[in-house]
Amino acid sequence: EDQVTQSPEALRLQEGESSSLNCSYTVSGLRGLFWYRQDPGKGPEFLFTLYSAGEEKEKERLKATLTKKESFLHITAPKPEDSATYLCAVQAYRRALTFGSGTRLQVQP
Amino acid sequence: EPEVTQTPSHQVTQMGQEVILRCVPISNHLYFYWYRQILGQKVEFLVSFYNNEISEKSEIFDDQFSVERPDGSNFTLKIRSTKLEDSAMYFCAGRMGVNTEAFFGQGTRLTVV
Repeated sequence: EDQVTQSPEALRLQEGESSSLNCSYTVSGLRGLFWYRQDPGKGPEFLFTLYSAGEEKEKERLKATLTKKESFLHITAPKPEDSATYLCAVQAYRRALTFGSGTRLQVQP
Repeated sequence: EPEVTQTPSHQVTQMGQEVILRCVPISNHLYFYWYRQILGQKVEFLVSFYNNEISEKSEIFDDQFSVERPDGSNFTLKIRSTKLEDSAMYFCAGRMGVNTEAFFGQGTRLTVV
């Protein structure tokens, strides 16, 4: 059974204080690892797809990396508008996404 | 930018009633999904739909649930006899390829009373 564990559950940062979110996974035949952002009461918003170990993707203040067992979402110099829940999901071959419980990020000005 | 549209945004129904949740996926998507998220919990997979048939379903998707793509554009989720525990946000999602990123709608908040 595919499993995704995200840590920490919640993270409070000061504006400009960089940090990383972790996503550990167990999946039979990884076909992709996905990061999403979710604002309260809204649907998940796609951020990144990573397909193989060693791959990295960047977008503004966010950078996602992937190893064979985990992925990190690095947030550099965050701003209050980066406050959201960040979701990690894995994809096995021809399967639907399996999501983790997410990390609730709060960035204080 | 194309987006996945879900209606209604919020539905309140009495226990035992039937509800239909509607979704208009992005036009060039081929794979369609329903997920749900109970308040404070993780996003859970319900069912996937490809080529006008169910391709995968979770143990949550029992006989009270059904999906249809009646007219080639809309994608619906029907819950025949709602229970209190069906109260959740229901998300529709679509993707172009089987391993590409999925795009989600804004959800329907279903409240069963």
